Amino acid sequence: GAVVSQHPSRVICKSGTSVKIECRSLDFQATTMFWYRQFPKQSLMLMATSNEGSKATYEQGVEKDKFLINHASLTLSTLTVTSAHPEDSSFYICSARTSHGTTEAFFGQGTRLTVV
Amino acid sequence: LAKTTQPISMDSYEGQEVNITCSHNNIATNDYITWYQQFPSQGPRFIIQGYKTKVTNEVASLFIPADRKSSTLSLPRVSLSDTAVYYCLVGPNTGGFKTIFGAGTRLFVKA
Repeated sequence: GAVVSQHPSRVICKSGTSVKIECRSLDFQATTMFWYRQFPKQSLMLMATSNEGSKATYEQGVEKDKFLINHASLTLSTLTVTSAHPEDSSFYICSARTSHGTTEAFFGQGTRLTVV
Repeated sequence: LAKTTQPISMDSYEGQEVNITCSHNNIATNDYITWYQQFPSQGPRFIIQGYKTKVTNEVASLFIPADRKSSTLSLPRVSLSDTAVYYCLVGPNTGGFKTIFGAGTRLFVKA
């Protein structure tokens, strides 16, 4: 199946700094990618939809100025957590679908962000 | 978006068949049913997808009745490594359609 790769898998940062997470579709083009956040023992919560070449669409309650999303190419989307605080510590997951119909969404392995 | 309802948790023993049922009463005509598996600290992994009747692959079977208002994921002869959270999702099968997760079912397989 198609592969989606996230980097880094784990990151620890100091409060007030910014962290960038990359999401790449390795063997297919994805005009749309999705970013999720998952807290311990909870389900995945959709944060935003990342569209190649245009602005991301954020879900209600997600601050677009805090979670900057850039989808500059058909294989790369980035999520930047700006001015991170301890409450932003979470597991961030991206997913992508192929551009041409059918099948499932493919997920990255996730990024564990810890803000200290 | 069609809402899904699954049992919060299930227990089983190694070697048993496990059936997880998902209710999706408001499923639309162009919606597909997709099941994902998630292990701790990993992204979800696709298990199986179907539209109607029965679908089988190397890891699971998916049973969908004629009214499509529910579906059952069947895992044959589970092992300890099948302990995970299983999510049932319903939605169109198009590239831009966002995938919304419900609470999922936490399956615990015992020795």
